[in-house]
Amino acid sequence: SQTIHQWPATLVQPVGSPLSLECTVEGTSNPNLYWYRQAAGRGLQLLFYSVGIGQISSEVPQNLSASRPQDRQFILSSKKLLLSDSGFYLCAWSLTGNEQFFGPGTRLTVL
Amino acid sequence: AQSVTQPDIHITVSEGASLELRCNYSYGATPYLFWYVQSPGQGLQLLLKYFSGDTLVQGIKGFEAEFKRSQSSFNLRKPSVHWSDAAEYFCAVGELTGTASKLTFGTGTRLQVTL
Repeated sequence: SQTIHQWPATLVQPVGSPLSLECTVEGTSNPNLYWYRQAAGRGLQLLFYSVGIGQISSEVPQNLSASRPQDRQFILSSKKLLLSDSGFYLCAWSLTGNEQFFGPGTRLTVL
Repeated sequence: AQSVTQPDIHITVSEGASLELRCNYSYGATPYLFWYVQSPGQGLQLLLKYFSGDTLVQGIKGFEAEFKRSQSSFNLRKPSVHWSDAAEYFCAVGELTGTASKLTFGTGTRLQVTL
């Protein structure tokens, strides 16, 4: 069966520090991968998606970037965090045209 | 652009009572529709999906949803709510972009269950 992992589970970072969140999927090949952010009291916003290694599509302009160095690995990064980057970050995977399955999330607090 | 509206931010029901959570969408073509549930501090779990065919879809945990094209709605229902159903529920519409499916979520409905 397929599983999706995210780490760290929680993170507290100062403003201006770098960020690296990791997501890995097991039990499937060539998945589509997604990064979402969930701000307090709001729905989920799609940040990036990837249909293959090195292929990244950005949905909204922001202080973040994404990379996919391996088929089942998706990384969310920032060079300098802003207060507004705080939130709950969710990674998800899907196969072609089908429903998405979500990881457990990373709670990021920027102070 | 597609959009999803969940008009109820917060709903409280008694255990054993029936439940209906509302969802309205805006999408130009035949939509792919989903309901997800999120417990506090957790990821999202898929409850059910609608791609095509029968407009009444059954999901996990006793949930069902009905797609009504004329009303642009996809309301979630459960005949008898259990205390463990307390969570936040998200409706989403999917758009195919090449091989990826991009989801647009509503802002969610928080369900509280009283004993």
